[in-house]
Amino acid sequence: QKEVEQNSGPLSVPEGAIASLNCTYSDRGSQSFFWYRQYSGKSPELIMFIYSNGDKEDGRFTAQLNKASQYVSLLIRDSQPSDSATYLCAVKGDSWGKLQFGAGTQVVVTP
Amino acid sequence: EPEVTQTPSHQVTQMGQEVILRCVPISNHLYFYWYRQILGQKVEFLVSFYNNEISEKSEIFDDQFSVERPDGSNFTLKIRSTKLEDSAMYFCASSEGAADEQYFGPGTRLTVT
Repeated sequence: QKEVEQNSGPLSVPEGAIASLNCTYSDRGSQSFFWYRQYSGKSPELIMFIYSNGDKEDGRFTAQLNKASQYVSLLIRDSQPSDSATYLCAVKGDSWGKLQFGAGTQVVVTP
Repeated sequence: EPEVTQTPSHQVTQMGQEVILRCVPISNHLYFYWYRQILGQKVEFLVSFYNNEISEKSEIFDDQFSVERPDGSNFTLKIRSTKLEDSAMYFCASSEGAADEQYFGPGTRLTVT
């Protein structure tokens, strides 16, 4: 059974601080890695994707991938109250686009 | 900015009835997907669709489910005889290629009574 694991949280982060979210996956054949943000009652919104080992930065977000350790992370710098949401890690293997999702980490940014 | 749209936003149906959920993927995308999310649970893959045929489906996607691209823009999910446990948010997604990022629609909340 291929698994994607995330800490459920909630992760409480002071406004302006860095939020660090982690995700591990079991399928060594996984090729692509995605972070989605999901507000309560809404659909997943793509915020980052990463395909190669290392770091990828986009604005306040940095995704980090280590395929040897089967680990992907997301850093949110200068956290804002609007960043309060559930962050979903999604992994794609070598199949026809199927994404496997983790259960999500709830982030709460406190003013 | 192009986006995936879905209708209806909320569908209430009685157990045993057929429902059709509709999606309009992003226009230049070639791969289409359906996912569902039961309240408080993970987003789960149902089916992927490419070149007018199913390319992959999950164990959830049994004979009660079917997908269709009836014209050049719509992509539908049909549930033939709904069960109480089909109550969930159903999300349509699309991508340019199989390896590319997937963009999700706003979802249809299906309530089976």
